[in-house]
Amino acid sequence: DAGVIQSPRHEVTEMGQEVTLRCKPISGHNSLFWYRQTMMRGLELLIYFNNNVPIDDSGMPEDRFSAKMPNASFSTLKIQPSEPRDSAVYFCASSSHRDSNTGELFFGEGSRLTVL
Amino acid sequence: AQKVTQAQTEISVVEKEDVTLDCVYETRDTTYYLFWYKQPPSGELVFLIRRNSFDEQNEISGRYSWNLQKSTSSFNFTITASQVVDSAVYFCALSEPGAGSYQLTFGKGTKLSVIP
Repeated sequence: DAGVIQSPRHEVTEMGQEVTLRCKPISGHNSLFWYRQTMMRGLELLIYFNNNVPIDDSGMPEDRFSAKMPNASFSTLKIQPSEPRDSAVYFCASSSHRDSNTGELFFGEGSRLTVL
Repeated sequence: AQKVTQAQTEISVVEKEDVTLDCVYETRDTTYYLFWYKQPPSGELVFLIRRNSFDEQNEISGRYSWNLQKSTSSFNFTITASQVVDSAVYFCALSEPGAGSYQLTFGKGTKLSVIP
């Protein structure tokens, strides 16, 4: 079975540009999570969706960040305008109803963002 | 609030040595789940184990073993006869099912280097 698929794997952009990260969760999973990983702060939950509905976005840093899940098989995380401090690895993860009760997540390979 | 502490930032061992990675957690719930994830140099997060708070029996899987001790709120991970392929960052994580958020709280990680 295909795992969580993220794109792009690497993105280098200049400050002020819009960045869109994409995620395809595992088919049949109904929960989707966006995490950010930095050296300073470790792994932080940004937002999570359940059945395509955003449930908790308290981890989204500021209004420059937005996330959508238009259907069960696709989600985007957008940063506009991007800043150098947004440089990080962004992980998408999904879980099924069964696994979501225990918190077991299946992670994608991450999107490494560098903002110059 | 739940919290996970991995006091060891980096550990280096020589191949074939045993190594224990420490994890201390804080939670007010009596029902919770603990996890270990591995992040190899390639960057993806790989699920290793999930334990629930009611099962304090040691678990062994090949060279890996895990010890949950609720009295000390610790969930330590031991690698026996370490190998170079074990070199990675290891994350301990905690989730509280039914909290409405299904989110994992991660520790900051322990970087393990196994020297040949």
